[in-house]
Amino acid sequence: AQSVSQHNHHVILSEAASLELGCNYSYGGTVNLFWYVQYPGQHLQLLLKYFSGDPLVKGIKGFEAEFIKSKFSFNLRKPSVQWSDTAEYFCAVTTPNDYKLSFGAGTTVTVRA
Amino acid sequence: NAGVTQTPKFQVLKTGQSMTLQCAQDMNHEYMSWYRQDPGMGLRLIHYSVGAGITDQGEVPNGYNVSRSTTEDFPLRLLSAAPSQTSVYFCASRGLAEPYNEQFFGPGTRLTVL
Repeated sequence: AQSVSQHNHHVILSEAASLELGCNYSYGGTVNLFWYVQYPGQHLQLLLKYFSGDPLVKGIKGFEAEFIKSKFSFNLRKPSVQWSDTAEYFCAVTTPNDYKLSFGAGTTVTVRA
Repeated sequence: NAGVTQTPKFQVLKTGQSMTLQCAQDMNHEYMSWYRQDPGMGLRLIHYSVGAGITDQGEVPNGYNVSRSTTEDFPLRLLSAAPSQTSVYFCASRGLAEPYNEQFFGPGTRLTVL
């Protein structure tokens, strides 16, 4: 199974600040990459996904992520966060022939008004 | 469509008790899976299934059983609950026809074992 590393355990920001969450994976072949968000008390929802093409992927709620193959990274960004972005964010990876998702440990993002 | 549903939402068990967590999906997805979520550890795969009658172990299968008698349902059984099984459990499903579809998650079951 692939391993996924998320660099930050907890990030605290003020509203309007920019956000970048790091994600690195261990698999050297073709990968499919995902970012999921879990708002307090809710289930996981997909923010964005990458499987081929443009390495800069745009998702919902103003989030984007950039796939850098040479760095085995898929970092999540948002230029200006809002209080409602307070949530836990998970990076996940799978390979084309394997339906199982491997998740990172998650990053808790707290946005202060 | 209800998507992925899970029951119960909360459960408290005593050590040694058994129970079944229910999961159902109405999207005709072939692939279903169970994860447990623990602080600082992300989501870890317990068991998964690629169709009725087919199940396989994930990363942390010990202490759990699954079966898949229909496409819609994928129950998770705890045979003899232990405090180490205190966790939040998520069921997920996805179709197999398009290889890059997202997995859809249920609302979760928060289980406490005393």
